[in-house]
Formats: sequence, C-alpha cells, structure tokens
Amino acid sequence: KAGVTQTPRYLIKTRGQQVTLSCSPISGHRSVSWYQQTPGQGLQFLFEYFSETQRNKGNFPGRFSGRQFSNSRSEMNVSTLELGDSALYLCASSWGGDLAKNIQYFGAGTRLSVL
Amino acid sequence: EDQVTQSPEALRLQEGESSSLNCSYTVSGLRGLFWYRQDPGKGPEFLFTLYSAGEEKEKERLKATLTKKESFLHITAPKPEDSATYLCAVPDSGNAGNMLTFGGGTRLMVKP
Repeated sequence: KAGVTQTPRYLIKTRGQQVTLSCSPISGHRSVSWYQQTPGQGLQFLFEYFSETQRNKGNFPGRFSGRQFSNSRSEMNVSTLELGDSALYLCASSWGGDLAKNIQYFGAGTRLSVL
Repeated sequence: EDQVTQSPEALRLQEGESSSLNCSYTVSGLRGLFWYRQDPGKGPEFLFTLYSAGEEKEKERLKATLTKKESFLHITAPKPEDSATYLCAVPDSGNAGNMLTFGGGTRLMVKP
C-alpha cells in the first residue's frame, strides 16, 4: 500500500515569490493535514482538509492557503514568500473519522528554502 | 491552550543502557496521545496511540505508558538504530478535527 507522497521534495525560492506544494494521501484517506517544521518552533499545524472543505486552521497568516480535490489530493500555497518561511512542510493523511481511532500518517515532506 | 512539553531535549545512551523519555501535557480534555519517531530528512513515523490513564503499549524495545498528566516512552536495551527524534502529540481539545499539538521532541543518540 503506497504511503503519503509529497512533491517536490526540495524547493528553492526567493523572497516575494509564491510556491505550491502537493500531497497525495494514502488511498481511502479523506483527511489531509499540513504542518510546518522548523528548528525553532518545531512542528506546527497549518490546516486540515476533509472532503474538500477546510475543517481546521492553525495560527498562520493568510499567505498560507490550501485546497483539496475530489480525489483527496491536496495542495498548499504560500504567497509572497518570506525568509522565515524556510522550513520542512509535512503532509499527513488519515481516514478522517473519530480522532480516537484516527492515526495520521506523514509524508517525507517538502524542504523549502527561501533566499 | 493545549501545551505539550518533552524532556530531555537530547539524550545520549550507550547501547544497552535503558532509559525513559517524558511527555507532559496540559489539555482540557484528553482525546488520546500519540508517539512518533522521526529520522533526519524524513517525516514522523507513527509508533503508538494511548487513550486513557494506565494504558500501556509495547513494540520491540519501546513501551509507552500514560498517566493523567504525562506519558513516558521507555526504551529497553537500545540499539544504535533506535537513534532518532521522538515526538509526542495530543489532539486539540477545542475541536473534533485532526489538529495535533506536538512537543518539541527528544533527540536520542545511541552509541555502540
């Protein structure tokens, strides 16, 4: 069974540009969550999509956005990149039901470097 | 606001030297606690879920336990391949979705 796939694995952008990251969840999973991981702040929740609707949102500025398609694949977009956006962006998928039985499985991440 | 604190931040062990990692949490209503392992350059790998105080789960050299205020990850006779960062996380108590609050992690290094 294929795991969570994130593309691309590495990205280098300059300040002011925008970037789109992609995540393909495990087959059958309907929930996709995005996290940002940095050495200083650790793993922080960005947002979650379930059945094409944003279900939860973390404390990030509006420059961070996402969407989910009917096949559960998800994209996140960061506009007007800042140096502080350099991080490992992780996607996690789960079947989406009761969290007590709902394990999130993570992809390998996209390493974004903003110059 | 939910808070998760892990200690120590880093731990060096000799191969075979058992120890424990701590995860303390402050949530208004615990709906589970997750342990993950993360290797450099990779995403977190799921290890355990614990749901209620007193619960224990084991996998190879790892055993996770849960009390009303904290969880422990016990590592028995560790091997170099157990070297990784261990993360604990709790679901946000304010909503029913999949938002996880993570601790800062414990970086474990096991020397042969």
